[in-house]
Amino acid sequence: GNSVTQMEGPVTLSEEAFLTINCTYTATGYPSLFWYVQYPGEGLQLLLKATKADDKGSNKGFEATYRKETTSFHLEKGSVQVSDSAVYFCALGRGDSNYQLIWGAGTKLIIKP
Amino acid sequence: GAGVSQSPSNKVTEKGKDVELRCDPISGHTALYWYRQSLGQGLEFLIYFQGNSAPDKSGLPSDRFSAERTGGSVSTLTIQRTQQEDSAVYLCASSFSQGHEQYFGPGTRLTVT
Repeated sequence: GNSVTQMEGPVTLSEEAFLTINCTYTATGYPSLFWYVQYPGEGLQLLLKATKADDKGSNKGFEATYRKETTSFHLEKGSVQVSDSAVYFCALGRGDSNYQLIWGAGTKLIIKP
Repeated sequence: GAGVSQSPSNKVTEKGKDVELRCDPISGHTALYWYRQSLGQGLEFLIYFQGNSAPDKSGLPSDRFSAERTGGSVSTLTIQRTQQEDSAVYLCASSFSQGHEQYFGPGTRLTVT
């Protein structure tokens, strides 16, 4: 079946450090891949997405590349800020319809000044 | 414009009681989704509406859970005879149509005592 696995948190980094949050998936068909972010006290919001292999999604300095050969969609940022502290969720949309998102467990990111 | 709203924001109920959770989607969004987020877990898909119809109810955990949507707008999720394991944050999302970006509400935190 379809599933998403992401690295466990919390991940604690210093400001300006390089960030990688790993996400791998198993899926049938050709799903779209998403990263959502949940800032403290706020609702989930879409951070970036990629709809086909080799696509790169990017937003707010974050990037992730859809790697079909390694079934991965790792989230990266070159220089994190305290304001990036949040919980990050990787998700996939079922290839046949994309309406049912399958979610990873979330990774809490803590950035220290 | 207004985002997705949910009410109540918090609900504490006694085991065995029925509860109703409400979701007001973004105006014009035809697709509506309910998810459940348990502590430390990713999101669990519950049900999806396209208009007033629910093509996929596969995520509802038991027959104590039901949902309806009227007028292509407001949706209610009803949990009958609540159990302690129903305690979670219930999230609603809407999208312009199936497969489009999902916009999330702030959630309803349900605590069953």
